[in-house]
Amino acid sequence: GAGVSQTPSNKVTEKGKYVELRCDPISGHTALYWYRQSLGQGPEFLIYFQGTGAADDSGLPNDRFFAVRPEGSVSTLKIQRTERGDSAVYLCASSPRAGVNTGELFFGEGSRLTVL
Amino acid sequence: RKEVEQDPGPFNVPEGATVAFNCTYSNSASQSFFWYRQDCRKEPKLLMSVYSSGNEDGRFTAQLNRASQYISLLIRDSKLSDSATYLCVVTLNDYKLSFGAGTTVTVRA
Repeated sequence: GAGVSQTPSNKVTEKGKYVELRCDPISGHTALYWYRQSLGQGPEFLIYFQGTGAADDSGLPNDRFFAVRPEGSVSTLKIQRTERGDSAVYLCASSPRAGVNTGELFFGEGSRLTVL
Repeated sequence: RKEVEQDPGPFNVPEGATVAFNCTYSNSASQSFFWYRQDCRKEPKLLMSVYSSGNEDGRFTAQLNRASQYISLLIRDSKLSDSATYLCVVTLNDYKLSFGAGTTVTVRA
């Protein structure tokens, strides 16, 4: 099915390394979100794109985190100088329109990042 | 204070039983409310929206109490397949959702 696709599904890296996580949203979905879910917690908002622009990046924890969506479709979340505390599942979600009042975000299965 | 608080459970119930749990939210300006379901090591999926008047979807009933800022979910005639973590979700603005940490339900045969 043409759901939200995230790669890699699992990434193990060493402290201090750079990682990129990719998200392919559902075709035609203009809104794209990144969330982060730590063990035993709910997903935490990181960043929201409407089209190519980051409309709200207030959830990014610090300047080591950056995300792009250059053509308004695929998005990449980039983490520099990874730390052990970055270990989590990074979830991407898309929706067909701006606004979450219908509540329906379509999530990918996530990229599980482990920083050793 | 967390924006959405839930009893983590677990709620262990036999098949056929009724189970109910709720969550509280802190932002009185939240406009929309939802329950998501998340299976172990899978992505969250929308279960149902929650309306002020209360609403049902099959065996699932959701209620919203705006005055007390809590949301409930009741599952009747529990099935083994209902075993999952249920995430309470509220909108913070037009595009941002806040998720609770989830309530785990385990239905046993």
